Amino acid sequence: ETGVTQTPRHLVMGMTNKKSLKCEQHLGHNAMYWYKQSAKKPLELMFVYSLEERVENNSVPSRFSPECPNSSHLFLHLHTLQPEDSALYLCASSQEVKDQPQHFGDGTRLSIL
Amino acid sequence: EDQVTQSPEALRLQEGESSSLNCSYTVSGLRGLFWYRQDPGKGPEFLFTLYSAGEEKEKERLKATLTKKESFLHITAPKPEDSATYLCAVQVGYALNFGKGTSLLVTP
Repeated sequence: ETGVTQTPRHLVMGMTNKKSLKCEQHLGHNAMYWYKQSAKKPLELMFVYSLEERVENNSVPSRFSPECPNSSHLFLHLHTLQPEDSALYLCASSQEVKDQPQHFGDGTRLSIL
Repeated sequence: EDQVTQSPEALRLQEGESSSLNCSYTVSGLRGLFWYRQDPGKGPEFLFTLYSAGEEKEKERLKATLTKKESFLHITAPKPEDSATYLCAVQVGYALNFGKGTSLLVTP
């Protein structure tokens, strides 16, 4: 398997549920990113990790909690989400944090009931 | 404030009808301008990186150019399979700042 893989592809959850999004990259990259893509809005950067260390947190609410156990895996833990959190969540990776381009997965489509 | 603006928001072309998409940017110290293609239900797919004014990159029917204030994505003799949303982004620190994209529809 190659590239950036995200699971699940679709997720529907209630506001009180806890769920996790998973991202795995098979490119040998050292940097990983979470982005949020909402309708009619540009992609918004949420978190940046370099070699499992978080280097940027873009004023994201605490109901989103990232985890990077190793340079190939990235998780986004979700709890007590709001309806406005419904969006496409995209994971990306690059060789190093300031190295481009970033390569994206196909995202998890999240719907909050 | 660093900003990326894409126009038009949507574009409909007949197959074979060439056109250009625009990306204007305001960023201090450009470190790279990127073009991506995004198909429905998919993540953005990298197309080009441009670093300095005057630079050009080509791939099949696509050609990207860069000036000090804007970039153009020229599409020559498009085909229906070129239908997608085209995203422009500039590198700011660790992140890419994206525009809202241009949705391109090419009809047979």
